[in-house]
Amino acid sequence: AQSVAQPEDQVNVAEGNPLTVKCTYSVSGNPYLFWYVQYPNRGLQFLLKYITGDNLVKGSYGFEAEFNKSQTSFHLKKPSALVSDSALYFCAVRPPLSGGYNKLIFGAGTRLAVHP
Amino acid sequence: SAVISQKPSRDICQRGTSLTIQCQVDSQVTMMFWYRQQPGQSLTLIATANQGSEATYESGFVIDKFPISRPNLTFSTLTVSNMSPEDSSIYLCSVEVGTGRPYEQYFGPGTRLTVT
Repeated sequence: AQSVAQPEDQVNVAEGNPLTVKCTYSVSGNPYLFWYVQYPNRGLQFLLKYITGDNLVKGSYGFEAEFNKSQTSFHLKKPSALVSDSALYFCAVRPPLSGGYNKLIFGAGTRLAVHP
Repeated sequence: SAVISQKPSRDICQRGTSLTIQCQVDSQVTMMFWYRQQPGQSLTLIATANQGSEATYESGFVIDKFPISRPNLTFSTLTVSNMSPEDSSIYLCSVEVGTGRPYEQYFGPGTRLTVT
């Protein structure tokens, strides 16, 4: 079955330190990968996506993600965390054969808490 | 990107009643999506709505329970019928836009539904 795993329910980071939010996937073929962020009482916001090419993808708000095909991972990273980065982060995958539309499979989400 | 609004933002409903959620986009889009986010859980796709055709429902979701309308390229509604407490969730609509395929999805702020 196709799935996305975010192994950590919560990640705690001190402000100014680097952060990593982990994501692994199980999909046949070469998937398209996405990261979204959800702030309290708001909808999801698109951060970045991986299609092909360079394994390091840069996105909004200083975030980047590293695609690793051998480990089937797509970890979200930021060199220096801000308190305002505290939110719920979702990894999502679009399987390569989605019936012609952008069917996304979401992970369970990881809550990022950045402490001053 | 796209600006998406949803009405109502939240509601408290009694079991057995129905609620219609509206989704408005600031530009014409081909595909609109409806998701459910149950408390503390990830997003699950309910259905995909194309203008001028029947909505396509995911496994576990049926038209009688979640009828969808898509009268034009900027608007859609989702009705949650004959509600029970298990329908308490956040319902989000999204649209597919972007500069390169696969397009990313942009989400509305969500409708928080509580069924008593």
